[in-house]
Amino acid sequence: EVQLVESGGGLVKPGGSLRLSCAASGLTFSNAWMNWVRQAPGKGLEWVGRIKSKTDGGTTDYTAPVKGRFTISRDDSKNTLYLQMNSLQTEDTAVYYCRGGSKDWGQGTLVTVSS
Amino acid sequence: DIQMTQSPSSLSASVGDRVTITCRASQSVSEFLNWYQQKPGKAPKLLISRASILQSGVPSRFSGRGSGTDFSLSISSLQPEDFATYYCEQSYTVPVTFGQGTKLEI
Repeated sequence: EVQLVESGGGLVKPGGSLRLSCAASGLTFSNAWMNWVRQAPGKGLEWVGRIKSKTDGGTTDYTAPVKGRFTISRDDSKNTLYLQMNSLQTEDTAVYYCRGGSKDWGQGTLVTVSS
Repeated sequence: DIQMTQSPSSLSASVGDRVTITCRASQSVSEFLNWYQQKPGKAPKLLISRASILQSGVPSRFSGRGSGTDFSLSISSLQPEDFATYYCEQSYTVPVTFGQGTKLEI
């Protein structure tokens, strides 16, 4: 059974930084294209970005609102996905989910950006 | 970016009804269209991938069809556990984009 467990969420002031982690098990993590998806309170789903497997180049793609502020990385030796979030804005307040491919989702971690 | 437009945004129905939700892409996404179900406080669940491939464990009352720009998700006989919000998602190109969601209510 695939398990994705996010951590690292919390309350941060505007302009601050936070790093989310997603620990994966039950899948061949090194082969997986991993995504971050977020959902603002009461709103719909928004894709944040993804990182390809290293064998497929390991490259990253992002949605426009986070480009230059967020960085996705992976540590295949630890089966862990990361989301480094800098220059956080109130509009970044959301539950952040990690997702393996299209099917496997974590339970989400809440990030609140507020003064 | 490819815009995904779902309709309706909300839908009232009863147990046993057949319902259809549509999703239109602003340009062709071939068959790279996924459908998700989300219940309050939970992560989304993949129901259908590649427009029409029912995921393992998903009841056969769910079905998907379409290609190019027009897609639909149908539920043949609503069950109480089907009342949720449904999202389409195109994975044809980045940025991946979702529809705004359809809330299915009793």
